[in-house]
Amino acid sequence: SQQGEEDPQALSIQEGENATMNCSYKTSINNLQWYRQNSGRGLVHLILIRSNEREKHSGRLRVTLDTSKKSSSLLITASRAADTASYFCATLGGGADGLTFGKGTHLIIQP
Amino acid sequence: DTAVSQTPKYLVTQMGNDKSIKCEQNLGHDTMYWYKQDSKKFLKIMFSYNNKELIINETVPNRFSPKSPDKAHLNLHINSLELGDSAVYFCASSQMSGYGYTFGSGTRLTVV
Repeated sequence: SQQGEEDPQALSIQEGENATMNCSYKTSINNLQWYRQNSGRGLVHLILIRSNEREKHSGRLRVTLDTSKKSSSLLITASRAADTASYFCATLGGGADGLTFGKGTHLIIQP
Repeated sequence: DTAVSQTPKYLVTQMGNDKSIKCEQNLGHDTMYWYKQDSKKFLKIMFSYNNKELIINETVPNRFSPKSPDKAHLNLHINSLELGDSAVYFCASSQMSGYGYTFGSGTRLTVV
């Protein structure tokens, strides 16, 4: 069954603004990961946050994790047109059955 | 160098045919995966495999079978293709459980 649910499903903002996407999940996790998918392409790993971490940064990306609320957020600061893509959160549980992905947020950056 | 490569990129075939999609990774990763992405972009894991263990998603029809000739390859064989099999199939690999995945660029399968 699907684990992650991203919110919003679609987001359109002006270039230079910050974009925030949220993810909720249902069961306990080992880690949570965010991926980007450009149209017609494969997924690219952005950032991984472990269950004992609360916040992580990578360049213009900031990820938070609240295990008590079973939720995570991805913040992209100073957005660029090239950030236009779909963003997926994915959770890894304790078993060997791989990442479970959410439905994704489609982000559009207006120039 | 392409880290995870899939072939073919596009595959159009008739119902009832048998087809294969190949996947190779040159990262030295221990585990490989197959995912299916439907028209709504929902990604669903089909298989995960390392040299010790094959994990099959129980919802995957047994017409689908992974075959791994060696650690760097995990091919996907599909028998008796159906219209509902049309989707984009992604191969991925990871160093070990708990690390990020590297995805291939996908194979768009269209069954007519």
